[in-house]
Amino acid sequence: GAVVSQHPSWVICKSGTSVKIECRSLDFQATTMFWYRQFPKQSLMLMATSNEGSKATYEQGVEKDKFLINHASLTLSTLTVTSAHPEDSSFYICSAVDRAYGYTFGSGTRLTVV
Amino acid sequence: KNQVEQSPQSLIILEGKNCTLQCNYTVSPFSNLRWYKQDTGRGPVSLTIMTFSENTKSNGRYTATLDADTKQSSLHITASQLSDSASYICVVNQAGTALIFGKGTTLSVSS
Repeated sequence: GAVVSQHPSWVICKSGTSVKIECRSLDFQATTMFWYRQFPKQSLMLMATSNEGSKATYEQGVEKDKFLINHASLTLSTLTVTSAHPEDSSFYICSAVDRAYGYTFGSGTRLTVV
Repeated sequence: KNQVEQSPQSLIILEGKNCTLQCNYTVSPFSNLRWYKQDTGRGPVSLTIMTFSENTKSNGRYTATLDADTKQSSLHITASQLSDSASYICVVNQAGTALIFGKGTTLSVSS
């Protein structure tokens, strides 16, 4: 089936630094990818929709300057958490849509800001 | 309001037993309904996808049902194993838009 690779699986960074998370569709092309955030014991919350070759669409309440999304190719989208603070600590998950297999999720990235 | 509600919130069963998880939705227009399994610290993994016309779909020990008239779905797990311990998420794809997630049911299988 379709595979979405997300990297890194976990990262610890200092407050004020930036962190980049990569999401790759390994065996299919994805014109659209999605970025989610998940707090403990909560469901996934859509942050933004990443569109190849154009600007991402952010959900209400998500700061676009805080969470920079780049979808430069049909197989890669990146999420950069800029000037991270402890409240940004969370589990970030990407997903991509494949016509045959539907939505496939990455394995997630656990971000801890200290 | 488009919502997906799951019950129970959490469930503990003994290894080898069966269980059924429930999902009710008010999403319209409806495209499809998906069940995902999410292990702690991992991304969701698809178990089943059902469209409007499908009533039942199985994936190994997992069997999902869908009643589009009553807008209800269930996920039945047969002969549970310790590895079934996870969060099970019901997700409804609203036609033409993104996914609407339930909050999930946390299943704990004990020996």
